[in-house]
Amino acid sequence: DTGVSQNPRHKITKRGQNVTFRCDPISEHNRLYWYRQTLGQGPEFLTYFQNEAQLEKSRLLSDRFSAERPKGSFSTLEIQRTEQGDSAMYLCASSPDREMDSPLHFGNGTRLTVT
Amino acid sequence: KNQVEQSPQSLIILEGKNCTLQCNYTVSPFSNLRWYKQDTGRGPVSLTIMTFSENTKSNGRYTATLDADTKQSSLHITASQLSDSASYICVVRTDTGGGNKLTFGTGTQLKVEL
Repeated sequence: DTGVSQNPRHKITKRGQNVTFRCDPISEHNRLYWYRQTLGQGPEFLTYFQNEAQLEKSRLLSDRFSAERPKGSFSTLEIQRTEQGDSAMYLCASSPDREMDSPLHFGNGTRLTVT
Repeated sequence: KNQVEQSPQSLIILEGKNCTLQCNYTVSPFSNLRWYKQDTGRGPVSLTIMTFSENTKSNGRYTATLDADTKQSSLHITASQLSDSASYICVVRTDTGGGNKLTFGTGTQLKVEL
């Protein structure tokens, strides 16, 4: 399977704990995106990487959120001191450099539940 | 502010029937519009892309239209199947801004029943 892979698929954590999600994009894709999606809503942009460089962060990405893509391949999204409002589906997507004509290729997401 | 509005919010149809989903946008400048299908618990998958010069494009039983003057798009599904049950999300791309050039609609939740 050469699609976008996300792990874990589900994560249940207690409020105040830290969590980390991983995304493995399609190997030849330079661009990597993180989105958050809540029930009945479309995905909301969180952050974007071109290779290893984090080029843009949404205002939704508070100081408790950090994302990395150390070698320009896989990426991690960490949430520190989780809150119940962080409960959502976290989607990763990748695309090639010629992004205008190319769709985003999404993973199947990590569903986070904060209790 | 760039916005994408979709209607209806949800829709239930019988298998074999046709349906049309609507998307209105205020994104400017416009680059392209894409329809995604999102099955429950999965990531969205691209169905079709519409550029400024295109009015109609088909992908199997899916036909998308675009009216760039009125800033409206529709997705028509013909002879619906149970597997069409999903959320359909309209996404509009702009040419300005940084990495985040996409504005997502909230989706239309379609359920196809026997």
